[in-house]
Amino acid sequence: EADIYQTPRYLVIGTGKKITLECSQTMGHDKMYWYQQDPGMELHLIHYSYGVNSTEKGDLSSESTVSRIRTEHFPLTLESARPSHTSQYLCASSDGSRGEVTDTQYFGPGTRLTVL
Amino acid sequence: GEDVEQSLFLSVREGDSSVINCTYTDSSSTYLYWYKQEPGAGLQLLTYIFSNMDMKQDQRLTVLLNKKDKHLSLRIADTQTGDSAIYFCAESPGGGSYIPTFGRGTSLIVHP
Repeated sequence: EADIYQTPRYLVIGTGKKITLECSQTMGHDKMYWYQQDPGMELHLIHYSYGVNSTEKGDLSSESTVSRIRTEHFPLTLESARPSHTSQYLCASSDGSRGEVTDTQYFGPGTRLTVL
Repeated sequence: GEDVEQSLFLSVREGDSSVINCTYTDSSSTYLYWYKQEPGAGLQLLTYIFSNMDMKQDQRLTVLLNKKDKHLSLRIADTQTGDSAIYFCAESPGGGSYIPTFGRGTSLIVHP
């Protein structure tokens, strides 16, 4: 059973606000990911990390930033939210180094962000 | 780059079998996955198949892999209303990359 958590689950904020979406996992996974999911269902990878102090940008250009100071924590920050950031944000983690199926991703429940 | 294609919608009657299809382009794929997403939730791994297998069965789920045609399918037997969800196909590229490629998802609607 995967243990990966996201807070808040829902967030409605005004334009220009700074926000941080939290993601934590208790599985000790090295790899963590952030996806943006649009209403058409498609997943877009926006950031990923292969371990502490490692962060990379994904396929979709994003104005957000991430940090990975601890293995279990991978927060995503928007410095100045805009209506175009309205979306569902999914965090995931994976670990192929302990006999598990390589690249199996475990997803959090998501944060639904609405920027007015 | 890698590409994974799925049809967007499938509608079936309760009790019938559902078959969701997926095609991919990366011939070096090592693992192929099916994930399920229920409304308001994240994705949940349903099943996976290693690329040297042709078929995998797990209770009501049957995965078929045609590696020559790069075609993957998920069959759900005796489909129930609780199976209504979005189903994502994904492939793991191998070669040291840990970034899977996801399809756009197939929305399965089960009606009485």
